[in-house]
Amino acid sequence: LAKTTQPISMDSYEGQEVNITCSHNNIATNDYITWYQQFPSQGPRFIIQGYKTKVTNEVASLFIPADRKSSTLSLPRVSLSDTAVYYCLVVLYNNNDMRFGAGTRLTVKP
Amino acid sequence: ETGVTQTPRHLVMGMTNKKSLKCEQHLGHNAMYWYKQSAKKPLELMFVYNFKEQTENNSVPSRFSPECPNSSHLFLHLHTLQPEDSALYLCASSQDPTGGQPQHFGDGTRLSIL
Repeated sequence: LAKTTQPISMDSYEGQEVNITCSHNNIATNDYITWYQQFPSQGPRFIIQGYKTKVTNEVASLFIPADRKSSTLSLPRVSLSDTAVYYCLVVLYNNNDMRFGAGTRLTVKP
Repeated sequence: ETGVTQTPRHLVMGMTNKKSLKCEQHLGHNAMYWYKQSAKKPLELMFVYNFKEQTENNSVPSRFSPECPNSSHLFLHLHTLQPEDSALYLCASSQDPTGGQPQHFGDGTRLSIL
């Protein structure tokens, strides 16, 4: 079963680029990697999803190396409002097993 | 507004009470989920429904009983809960459960067991 591991916390400053890496060994070709953001008293919100190479949208980029044993969420030029917990999720396509990481608490400082 | 609404937002109950959590989605999705989120723990998947049929039960104690009358509504019936069941219970929906479509989460029900 895929296990997802991510750093417990990270600090950054406004305007910096933040990269959060999730390790997920033992995933298959069709397994998607999804990242979510969660603020206090809210449910997680979708940020970005992919299963290979690089995906970019208006808020983030997702980098997935060829061996797919990890993925990196990249947040360009963070602001104070990006302070939140970020979760990595791997869904195993063959059996719909879902494994969330424990979450990375990002604190953006002025 | 995520399109997934959970009620109530907060619930306090005794261990002998019976209560139900409700989730409703307005996104036309076919899959719905219940998760448990405890402090300092990863989100734990509890149940998955696809087209109203339960497809996943992650060894959840029988004091939690899900019900999915249609693709838009999901309930979690609670009975004889324990203090360790105090947590945030999140509902989510997606177009399908294969992972290729992202899940949309409600804001949860904060459950406290006295």
